[in-house]
Amino acid sequence: DAGVIQSPRHEVTEMGQEVTLRCKPISGHNSLFWYRQTMMRGLELLIYFNNNVPIDDSGMPEDRFSAKMPNASFSTLKIQPSEPRDSAVYFCASSLRGGTGELFFGEGSRLTVL
Amino acid sequence: AQSVAQPEDQVNVAEGNPLTVKCTYSVSGNPYLFWYVQYPNRGLQFLLKYITGDNLVKGSYGFEAEFNKSQTSFHLKKPSALVSDSALYFCAVRDMDDSWGKLQFGAGTQVVVTP
Repeated sequence: DAGVIQSPRHEVTEMGQEVTLRCKPISGHNSLFWYRQTMMRGLELLIYFNNNVPIDDSGMPEDRFSAKMPNASFSTLKIQPSEPRDSAVYFCASSLRGGTGELFFGEGSRLTVL
Repeated sequence: AQSVAQPEDQVNVAEGNPLTVKCTYSVSGNPYLFWYVQYPNRGLQFLLKYITGDNLVKGSYGFEAEFNKSQTSFHLKKPSALVSDSALYFCAVRDMDDSWGKLQFGAGTQVVVTP
């Protein structure tokens, strides 16, 4: 079975550019989570969705960050404009709400903003 | 609010020796507890979880963890470590009453197993 699929795996961009990260959750999972990993802050929960609806975006650091889930098989995390401090690894994870719930993680998107 | 503490940034152990990675947690209700492992440049992989029942939980790759409610701990253990166990280990907690299923992760513990 395919796991959570994220793209791109690596992104290098210049400050001020728009960045879009993509995620395809495991088929049948109805909850999707975006996490960010940095050395300084560890793993931070940015936003999560249930049945394609955003539930809590209080972890999104600034208005420059936005996330969407137009359907059950696709989500995006967008940063516009990007800044060097956004450099991190961004993980998408999915699970089945109502279960005992381990999250299944993608391989991550490593973002470097110059 | 829920939180997880992993008091050791790094644990060093010789191959063949027992490995313990410590974790304590705080939740307002009853916890669901998890351990994940992360290898370099990879995502987090699920190892094991405690939901209810037996306090000793067995998971993947020979790992186990013991839930101790009085000490609010969930330490990860392996009787005989392998060099291939060298990785970053995360403990995570979820409040049982949180139906959305979000996990709060600890800061991670780097495990280094030397030959």
